[in-house]
Amino acid sequence: AQSVTQLGSHVSVSEGALVLLRCNYSSSVPPYLFWYVQYPNQGLQLLLKYTTGATLVKGINGFEAEFKKSETSFHLTKPSAHMSDAAEYFCAVSGANDMRFGAGTRLTVKP
Amino acid sequence: DGGITQSPKYLFRKEGQNVTLSCEQNLNHDAMYWYRQDPGQGLRLIYYSQIVNDFQKGDIAEGYSVSREKKESFPLTVTSAQKNPTAFYLCASTMTWKQETQYFGPGTRLLVL
Repeated sequence: AQSVTQLGSHVSVSEGALVLLRCNYSSSVPPYLFWYVQYPNQGLQLLLKYTTGATLVKGINGFEAEFKKSETSFHLTKPSAHMSDAAEYFCAVSGANDMRFGAGTRLTVKP
Repeated sequence: DGGITQSPKYLFRKEGQNVTLSCEQNLNHDAMYWYRQDPGQGLRLIYYSQIVNDFQKGDIAEGYSVSREKKESFPLTVTSAQKNPTAFYLCASTMTWKQETQYFGPGTRLLVL
């Protein structure tokens, strides 16, 4: 079985500051890991995903995440926040039979 | 453009009424999913379908029903047995039943009158 924990339901950063959204997972099989972004009243869009191979994954809009098996983590980062990054972010883990989503982290970007 | 469409965008339900949410995809994907989203709870799986004419219950199937008569369509019915239906409903699909990226529709917000 798979599960995901996102640390922090709300994160607030200033424009230009580092964005760090935390995700820890558990999985009984080698996991596939995903980060999705959701803007208000819209569906989810894929930011990036890890399947196999390189543990540092680059995604859209300047985001990246690093798969750390020893820490069972897949934290999302962006060096410099932009106002347009304000949204809700979901980490997800996919196992053999299903995908599990975290509860989400709402990112606020202050001018 | 390929993608997933959901309709309507907003839906109002009266007490005791069944309502149906539409989900259509033109991605030629085999698998489709319905999720319920409530504030602070992430996405919870209601039903999924790996292939046409087959579907399985997810974590919170009570009070919901689905059909999968066509590959491109996976409608969700919220029945009167669902006592707390107010939520945002998301439909998704994957190419096959594997560990793959899920593609999401824009969602339907269901409100109770």
